[in-house]
Amino acid sequence: TQLLEQSPQFLSIQEGENLTVYCNSSSVFSSLQWYRQEPGEGPVLLVTVVTGGEVKKLKRLTFQFGDARKDSSLHITAAQPGDTGLYLCAGQGAQGGSEKLVFGKGTKLTVNP
Amino acid sequence: NAGVMQNPRHLVRRRGQEARLRCSPMKGHSHVYWYRQLPEEGLKFMVYLQKENIIDESGMPKERFSAEFPKEGPSILRIQQVVRGDSAAYFCASSPLHYTEAFFGQGTRLTVV
Repeated sequence: TQLLEQSPQFLSIQEGENLTVYCNSSSVFSSLQWYRQEPGEGPVLLVTVVTGGEVKKLKRLTFQFGDARKDSSLHITAAQPGDTGLYLCAGQGAQGGSEKLVFGKGTKLTVNP
Repeated sequence: NAGVMQNPRHLVRRRGQEARLRCSPMKGHSHVYWYRQLPEEGLKFMVYLQKENIIDESGMPKERFSAEFPKEGPSILRIQQVVRGDSAAYFCASSPLHYTEAFFGQGTRLTVV
């Protein structure tokens, strides 16, 4: 059973479009992190959200942590080809579980020029 | 994530051989985590170590896999008598404190032939 479900699994869009990807769970997390991974590379940390309802912006990327700290979303405005990659969410401190970082399977985003 | 150094980047082993994967954490980080990633998958937690101690090995297979993080030198993930199913990308991450934000290395891609 996957603790963190990410959707969609694959997303292909044109440059300039907006998009939202989701990370959902039935578990409550003490924090949630978003990473971006390019082929052949390790994941790169984008943001950590800690407080329920928290919204963080990173240039054209907007991250939101759900009020109940069970889910999160990543919204990209005016996507660019450089945004192409695998977006992974990872939760920490799942209720009733250990503190290790648990990853979703990711959303593979392709932005076509 | 360039601060976490993993080597080798690519490793080819024949079935039955041993594989040794090395990870040098970022300067000042004393917590190391190992993850495994299969193609089109997220990262699966394997083991969490501090200097000279294994803190959480709940994701490690019971046989053939071991990990260490000695007082001096890099962390080592060791796989004995490798099988084709061990082929994957193995990532190491480090953090300065207990389960805070983790920074990943570029990974070692193990291929068992």
